Amino acid sequence: KQEVTQIPAALSVPEGENLVLNCSFTDSAIYNLQWFRQDPGKGLTSLLLIQSSQREQTSGRLNASLDKSSGRSTLYIAASQPGDSATYLCAVPNTGNQFYFGTGTSLTVIP
Amino acid sequence: GAVVSQHPSRVICKSGTSVKIECRSLDFQATTMFWYRQFPKKSLMLMATSNEGSKATYEQGVEKDKFLINHASLTLSTLTVTSAHPEDSSFYICSAPRPGEAEAFFGQGTRLTVV
Repeated sequence: KQEVTQIPAALSVPEGENLVLNCSFTDSAIYNLQWFRQDPGKGLTSLLLIQSSQREQTSGRLNASLDKSSGRSTLYIAASQPGDSATYLCAVPNTGNQFYFGTGTSLTVIP
Repeated sequence: GAVVSQHPSRVICKSGTSVKIECRSLDFQATTMFWYRQFPKKSLMLMATSNEGSKATYEQGVEKDKFLINHASLTLSTLTVTSAHPEDSSFYICSAPRPGEAEAFFGQGTRLTVV
């Protein structure tokens, strides 16, 4: 069974810093990997999707990389802003579109 | 805009009562939908797979008689928490894959509090 882990569990940075969130998964036979944002008490917002054949995806200040063979993905956030404060989840689907979620990284950007 | 709508977003109920949560795909037909549960400070865990026209499949450890799932149409799945207890208090969220797309679409989630 796929297991997804995220490090660190919590992160606090001053505004303007660049930061990296880490995600690892045990079964490298994935179709894609997705990064989500979850605000407190809210649902999920899809940030980036990386197909298994891709190495990275970029959207604005976000860049996600994927190293399938080593079972790792990173989410890079450039020039962090207080509005980036949220929990970030990575997830990988199985063949049936059922998702295995990471444990999440709670990010706080201090003004 | 949202492609998967979940209702209600928040509900408080008394112990022993039942609560129904709806998940709708707004502009596509979903033969399969998924229900997840999130405990405080924990990640989302798959509870069950809702299959249109047939029985839901439940993950190990999830009581099918307590969490009733009905997928009566191609755009609607419902999760009913029966005889709710305080330990059922949690965040429930549904997901529906849109045919031909890899991106996952999630509902807004439902915060259930059982008092």
